[in-house]
Amino acid sequence: DAGVIQSPRHEVTEMGQEVTLRCKPISGHDYLFWYRQTMMRGLELLIYFNNNVPIDDSGMPEDRFSAKMPNASFSTLKIQPSEPRDSAVYFCASRRQGNTGELFFGEGSRLTVL
Amino acid sequence: QQPVQSPQAVILREGEDAVINCSSSKALYSVHWYRQKHGEAPVFLMILLKGGEQKGHEKISASFNEKKQQSSLYLTASQLSYSGTYFCGTDQSGGKLIFGQGTELSVKP
Repeated sequence: DAGVIQSPRHEVTEMGQEVTLRCKPISGHDYLFWYRQTMMRGLELLIYFNNNVPIDDSGMPEDRFSAKMPNASFSTLKIQPSEPRDSAVYFCASRRQGNTGELFFGEGSRLTVL
Repeated sequence: QQPVQSPQAVILREGEDAVINCSSSKALYSVHWYRQKHGEAPVFLMILLKGGEQKGHEKISASFNEKKQQSSLYLTASQLSYSGTYFCGTDQSGGKLIFGQGTELSVKP
C-alpha cells in the first residue's frame, strides 16, 4: 500500500497568494482528516470527512481556508489569500470506518508564507 | 475539547522508565497514542477502546480509565529510539480525533 500521499512536500509563497494542498488517502479508508501543526498550537484538527462528506469544520481558522473531497481518493485544502501566520506543517490522515482504526498520516506539506 | 497531557517534556537516561498522562474533560470512545520523530509524521503506537483496558507494544504499554477519562502511557527501560514527541488522541464523538499538546521525550545515553 502506498500510504497517504500529500503534495507538495514544501511550498514557499508570498503573502496574498493562493495555496492548494493535496491529499490522496489510503484506498478503502472512509475518514479523511486535515491537521495543522505548529510549535505554538501543536496538532490542530482543521476538518474531517466521512465518505467524502465534511462532518466537522469547526477547526478551520477562518473563511480564507476551505477544503473539498470530490471523491474517495482525493482531497484539497485551499488557503486564499495566504498570510504569514498560516506557515505550518499541514498533515492529511486517513482511517477506516469504526472506532478501532488507527490513523495513517501523510508525510506533511510544509508551508512557508513570506 | 483538547486533551491535556503531562508532563510537557521529560529527559531520561537509557534504561529509565517514564509515564505520560492524558486526561479529557469529556467522555471518550477511545484513546490513541502516537509518536512523532523530528521532521516526520506521527506514527501510531496503540489504541485503547474500553475502560480499564491495557495494551502493550514492546516495552511500551498504556492504560485507559474510562470513568476518570484518563489514559497513561508507560515506557519501560527506555531506549534511545524512544526519543520523540508523544501525542495522545481522543475520540470523543465516534470519529473525530483530537490530539493533546504532546510530550517531548529525550532519552540520553
